[in-house]
Amino acid sequence: KAGVTQTPRYLIKTRGQQVTLSCSPISGHRSVSWYQQTPGQGLQFLFEYFSETQRNKGNFPGRFSGRQFSNSRSEMNVSTLELGDSALYLCASSANRVKNTEAFFGQGTRLTVV
Amino acid sequence: QKEVEQNSGPLSVPEGAIASLNCTYSDRGSQSFFWYRQYSGKSPELIMSIYSNGDKEDGRFTAQLNKASQYVSLLIRDSQPSDSATYLCAVNRDDRGSTLGRLYFGRGTQLTVWP
Repeated sequence: KAGVTQTPRYLIKTRGQQVTLSCSPISGHRSVSWYQQTPGQGLQFLFEYFSETQRNKGNFPGRFSGRQFSNSRSEMNVSTLELGDSALYLCASSANRVKNTEAFFGQGTRLTVV
Repeated sequence: QKEVEQNSGPLSVPEGAIASLNCTYSDRGSQSFFWYRQYSGKSPELIMSIYSNGDKEDGRFTAQLNKASQYVSLLIRDSQPSDSATYLCAVNRDDRGSTLGRLYFGRGTQLTVWP
């Protein structure tokens, strides 16, 4: 069974550009969450999608957005990139099971903003 | 007060010893508790999940949950150098049941197992 797949693995962008990251969850998983990880802040929750609907949102500016498609694949977009957006962006998928919400992470996308 | 707090470490133990990692959480409504292992430069890997009070064992790993004390721990028996990593405690208090909700992570404890 394939795991969570994130693309691209590495990305270098300049300030002011925008970027789109992709996440394909484990087959059958319908919940996808996104996290930002930096050395200074640790793992910070961005948002969660379930059945194409955003169910939860973290405390990030509106430059950070996402969506989920009918096949559960998800994308997140960051517009007007800032140097502080340099981070490891992680996607986690979870099965639709009551009271069992184990989340599995993809390999991450390492974004560097220069 | 932070949602999830862990011993900042680093924690260093000799090979074959028991490593004990601790975590406290602030919200009594928390439902699910997880331990992730993260090697340097890699993504977090789920190693244990626990949902009810008591102990849960999986191989060399034992997770312990005490909801009254809002405390969760991870014991690693017969520690190996390959266990050297950062261990992240995560808590989910979303009660929707069928979705992941939001995971709250501690800052992690760096464990080093020396030969």
